[in-house]
Amino acid sequence: DIQMTQSPSSLSASVGDRVTITCRTSQSISSYLNWYQQNPGKAPKLLIYAASILQSGVPSRFSGSESGTDFTLTISSLQPEDFATYYCQQSYSTPFTFGPGTKVDIK
Amino acid sequence: QVQLQESGPGLVKPSQTLSLTCTVSGGSISSGSYYWSWIRQPAGKGLEWIGRIYTSGSTNYNPSLKSRVTISVDTSKNQFSLKLSSVTAADTAVYYCAREGPSHYYYMDVWGKGTTVSVSS
Repeated sequence: DIQMTQSPSSLSASVGDRVTITCRTSQSISSYLNWYQQNPGKAPKLLIYAASILQSGVPSRFSGSESGTDFTLTISSLQPEDFATYYCQQSYSTPFTFGPGTKVDIK
Repeated sequence: QVQLQESGPGLVKPSQTLSLTCTVSGGSISSGSYYWSWIRQPAGKGLEWIGRIYTSGSTNYNPSLKSRVTISVDTSKNQFSLKLSSVTAADTAVYYCAREGPSHYYYMDVWGKGTTVSVSS
């Protein structure tokens, strides 16, 4: 299985802050990396797929990038509705695996 | 737009089989190049991919669960289903169904709201 790590596991930020979350994979997965946002008691919501493609309807303050086996989710200006947990997921090979999550809360 | 809804018992006894169904509405389960997946999440923990099925019936399972999992599809009912046998307390989780695709990047773009399943006697 492809192992996924995320850093940090949690962070505190203020509205308007620029936030960066990193996901690292245990092997090369090309661009087969997706990002999800999950609010408490809700299903995950797709934000970005193929490492950097913004899902339709997702605000442009979200962006994704990749460098080798490191992938980054950036929120350019944190909004109140962005306080949530973020997961990366590889879809390069089955079993698909998720990162452990990064919880973003209010400072 | 396509919506997914999980259904099934919320309580299952240890050693029994967990059975869930995901009903697809707003579109045909057979249209497009999609896989249909199951994912679960124990309370306070991360997400685990269980497996998926294509409308042709082709399946992929997580090896950690493979001996206990069966995913099937009923195109006439626009549904797909999950069976997990010999359950234990470790199978207690919120179970989600999701759509994967349409491209080969296999991202999960539509999710059900999830259903909580507890394993307890």
